Amino acid sequence: GQSLEQPSEVTAVEGAIVQINCTYQTSGFYGLSWYQQHDGGAPTFLSYNGLDGLEETGRFSSFLSRSDSYGYLLLQELQMKDSASYFCAVKSSSGQLTFGSGTQLTVLP
Amino acid sequence: ETGVTQTPRHLVMGMTNKKSLKCEQHLGHNAMYWYKQSAKKPLELMFVYSLEERVENNSVPSRFSPECPNSSHLFLHLHTLQPEDSALYLCASSHSPPTSGGNNEQFFGPGTRLTVL
Repeated sequence: GQSLEQPSEVTAVEGAIVQINCTYQTSGFYGLSWYQQHDGGAPTFLSYNGLDGLEETGRFSSFLSRSDSYGYLLLQELQMKDSASYFCAVKSSSGQLTFGSGTQLTVLP
Repeated sequence: ETGVTQTPRHLVMGMTNKKSLKCEQHLGHNAMYWYKQSAKKPLELMFVYSLEERVENNSVPSRFSPECPNSSHLFLHLHTLQPEDSALYLCASSHSPPTSGGNNEQFFGPGTRLTVL
């Protein structure tokens, strides 16, 4: 089976940097994805790591360490609009995505 | 506009009703998914269709019945639901089948907020 752990809530101020961690236990790991979901909205894809290392997309970066079963999402230059829930999701060898419970990020002015 | 639409956006039904949720994707994708999202819980994968064939059914009760008539449409037929089935039901699609390599990015619709009385 699959299980993922991420913090339930994180708070930071505008302009700051925040890191959301995700640890996982899985059989047949294939990759780690991150999704953002604003309150009342649909989840939207942010990033994917299939290999160890850092992937950068604008203000967002994602990191994976397969040996540690660990990844994180790094958000820089936080803006108010970044307030949302962030989900890590493991892709297994069967292709299924298993999602974590989500981290509610609150950005304060 | 995500390219994936769902109707209705809100649905209230009694335990003896029969209703259907509809999903349509305008992205030319080959795989479609149903997820259930309950408060404070992870998204739960319910069904996966790849090239119009069901490839995954994650032990979902038979009161939920999916239908995929073509690669652009996906339905979830509901009957004799329970109050604990109240949740947000999300449809998603991906270009590649789930077993393909790569990130298998999924595009989600806005969901149907279902309340079972």
